[in-house]
Amino acid sequence: NAGVTQTPKFQVLKTGQSMTLQCAQDMNHNSMYWYRQDPGMGLRLIYYSASEGTTDKGEVPNGYNVSRLNKREFSLRLESAAPSQTSVYFCASSGEGGYTEAFFGQGTRLTVV
Amino acid sequence: QQQVKQSPQSLIVQKGGISIINCAYENTAFDYFPWYQQFPGKGPALLIAIRPDVSEKKEGRFTISFNKSAKQFSLHIMDSQPGDSATYFCAAARSNQFYFGTGTSLTVIP
Repeated sequence: NAGVTQTPKFQVLKTGQSMTLQCAQDMNHNSMYWYRQDPGMGLRLIYYSASEGTTDKGEVPNGYNVSRLNKREFSLRLESAAPSQTSVYFCASSGEGGYTEAFFGQGTRLTVV
Repeated sequence: QQQVKQSPQSLIVQKGGISIINCAYENTAFDYFPWYQQFPGKGPALLIAIRPDVSEKKEGRFTISFNKSAKQFSLHIMDSQPGDSATYFCAAARSNQFYFGTGTSLTVIP
């Protein structure tokens, strides 16, 4: 059981380049999330998807777009990368109802130069 | 605006000691309070969680204390071990929306 799988694990981009971070879960979860983790800032929600076909902005959505391709996959796109987007990105998923655990992927370490 | 405030930012404890991490929240609509543990290079993983209808939950050496009236909750790690060295995040959640604290880097010295 793979859980939540993110690709790639590492990426270096030049300012202005675009890229898509991929995430897939095999736990049949409806809810999926993208977080970024920065020193001293904790985990901040970028976008959230409650179900296939729906997405909502989180705390820090500027500069990002998302696609909930199907129930399994939730991708995060940077259209024009900026140095401020250097961070570690985590995808997560959770099941139905309250009191439910969020499962995280291994993370993508992105550096924008 | 930080929904969940966590302290301290870092903590150094001797092996066998007690580690205490504190969190506070404002939104009384939160109904689930998990703690996550993260090792370097890994994603966070659920450690222990509590609902607001109980004041304490214990799992092995890990205990959550919850004070609903003060809107505060804390993680206590008893008999801390070097293997507990990690970053700990508290969180508050409602309807599958999770809000995380800023994290505490715990180092347990042998």
